[in-house]
Amino acid sequence: EPEVTQTPSHQVTQMGQEVILRCVPISNHLYFYWYRQILGQKVEFLVSFYNNEISEKSEIFDDQFSVERPDGSNFTLKIRSTKLEDSAMYFCASSESDSNQPQHFGDGTRLSIL
Amino acid sequence: AQSVTQLDSQVPVFEEAPVELRCNYSSSVSVYLFWYVQYPNQGLQLLLKYLSGSTLVESINGFEAEFNKSQTSFHLRKPSVHISDTAEYFCAVSEVDTDKLIFGTGTRLQVFP
Repeated sequence: EPEVTQTPSHQVTQMGQEVILRCVPISNHLYFYWYRQILGQKVEFLVSFYNNEISEKSEIFDDQFSVERPDGSNFTLKIRSTKLEDSAMYFCASSESDSNQPQHFGDGTRLSIL
Repeated sequence: AQSVTQLDSQVPVFEEAPVELRCNYSSSVSVYLFWYVQYPNQGLQLLLKYLSGSTLVESINGFEAEFNKSQTSFHLRKPSVHISDTAEYFCAVSEVDTDKLIFGTGTRLQVFP
């Protein structure tokens, strides 16, 4: 069964550094998402992306965050200048279409900011 | 604004016992409802979904959930659990005019032999 893959599985970065989290969505999917889960808290929506543009974003997704689909397969999340509170598990997801189709999640990237 | 409440943070049960994981939501518009399961060190896997039609939905591994519009609930049940069902279970909703998922805080199901 096709799956969403995320790399790296664990990223350790110094505060203030830029970090890029990578995702390869399922190939025929058109909608892409990033979520995060701070340790011990609920999974939170960050951003959705369709047709090469952001379709929706949360309050968390401020100017420090950006997303990109640089080629036909990858979907990336960039954090420009990381803060301690950015430490979390970041999940990428994709779906065939919008809300009535289930989102398929990757295994996540654990981001640790030192 | 929509929200999801999972009142039970942990549910310990013995193997072969029945279990119910509770989920309530609030929304002013129609919603789609989902249960996701997260095994240790893995991502979220879709367990089952309610989009429309029959209010009782089932998964391939024996779980079922019933959409109750009047009580705004989508409780997850299994008549007989197995050790391998030990995991974190997340209830999620999305409103029909948006594609973001709103998650509950999760319920950790611990099955003991």
